[in-house]
Amino acid sequence: EPEVTQTPSHQVTQMGQEVILRCVPISNHLYFYWYRQILGQKVEFLVSFYNNEISEKSEIFDDQFSVERPDGSNFTLKIRSTKLEDSAMYFCASRVTIAAFFGQGTRLTVV
Amino acid sequence: DQQVKQNSPSLSVQEGRISILNCDYTNSMFDYFLWYKKYPAEGPTFLISISSIKDKNEDGRFTVFLNKSAKHLSLHIVPSQPGDSAVYFCAASAATDSWGKLQFGAGTQVVVTP
Repeated sequence: EPEVTQTPSHQVTQMGQEVILRCVPISNHLYFYWYRQILGQKVEFLVSFYNNEISEKSEIFDDQFSVERPDGSNFTLKIRSTKLEDSAMYFCASRVTIAAFFGQGTRLTVV
Repeated sequence: DQQVKQNSPSLSVQEGRISILNCDYTNSMFDYFLWYKKYPAEGPTFLISISSIKDKNEDGRFTVFLNKSAKHLSLHIVPSQPGDSAVYFCAASAATDSWGKLQFGAGTQVVVTP
């Protein structure tokens, strides 16, 4: 069964460092998303991506965040200068019909 | 901005009995509602969805009911099995959010006991 895959599963980084979280969405899907879940809180929308451009972003998705789909298969989330409060589970998702399918997540720990 | 609310943080149910999870929403523009199941250290797994033009959708042991006038939906799991122990999230999508952004509730932790 096709699935969304994310790497790495766990990333530890120092505050101020750049991180890139990687995702391979399901191949025939057209819409791509990043969500995050801070420990003990709800899953929050970060950004949606369609037709090789950002279609919507939340207030969380500030200038420190960027997304790319560099080669038609990978979908990346970059955080330029990480803060302690960026520590969270980051989920990539993709969809072609109404249901979005999520990857297993990357746990980002900023120290 | 809690447009999707799950007011019960936890639910304990005996194996074989029915689990009923509830979800309320405030945005009348939501037109699709979805339920996801999440195990620790995994991503949300899609379970079942319902369009706002329907009031019931059934898939195996899972049934979702939608009451638009009350802005309320529920997920019934019957019979409950130990493998159903997980966090269940209600999510909603609005036609005005044409890119399919999901708004999630806070989740309900379900524990199925033998």
